[in-house]
Amino acid sequence: QKEVEQDPGPLSVPEGAIVSLNCTYSNSAFQYFMWYRQYSRKGPELLMYTYSSGNKEDGRFTAQVDKSSKYISLFIRDSQPSDSATYLCAMSKAAGNKLTFGGGTRVLVKP
Amino acid sequence: GAVVSQHPSRVICKSGTSVKIECRSLDFQATTMFWYRQFPKQSLMLMATSNEGSKATYEQGVEKDKFLINHASLTLSTLTVTSAHPEDSSFYICSAPGRGAVDEQFFGPGTRLTVL
Repeated sequence: QKEVEQDPGPLSVPEGAIVSLNCTYSNSAFQYFMWYRQYSRKGPELLMYTYSSGNKEDGRFTAQVDKSSKYISLFIRDSQPSDSATYLCAMSKAAGNKLTFGGGTRVLVKP
Repeated sequence: GAVVSQHPSRVICKSGTSVKIECRSLDFQATTMFWYRQFPKQSLMLMATSNEGSKATYEQGVEKDKFLINHASLTLSTLTVTSAHPEDSSFYICSAPGRGAVDEQFFGPGTRLTVL
């Protein structure tokens, strides 16, 4: 069993819809949770960063962490075709520590 | 935000040759850098942690004699794929943790290696 599980998709939504992504994990030692966006053949770009449980909002993006359930989510409101990419969740046990990634979910926003 | 560069962005080589990939932190110092490998349609897999001034730490299953890592300075880490074979063809990405209030890891743009 992988430490971090993420549905590979693809997830296809119409423009303007809410995109809902999630990851589950098994190691309770993870404290820092991140969401990255990766376009094809490019390096990952950090979207959201959360420490421990709670919600965080940044523009159209909302990240949620539920440590009791070992479950994290990312919501993208008012999705745009430019949001079409692979979204990777990642987590670490300590600040500046190595990241463990989920498998990534491919998202396609159709105009 | 901080910038991490990689060079080359793409390399094609013959089987048996060695390839060096550079990872640089352009506007900040990084005592630690991470090297990842990503196969098509798969996620990033950590290969090793590069430490300035000391030996790299390799993840289980990664051959340290095949993937040589040298953290030469606070802004440069290199990954050398020795005696490359077609199965080493992959997308190699480095990252470095920043020093801001947020524990953000900055990723390079990646290097696509194709071994013929």
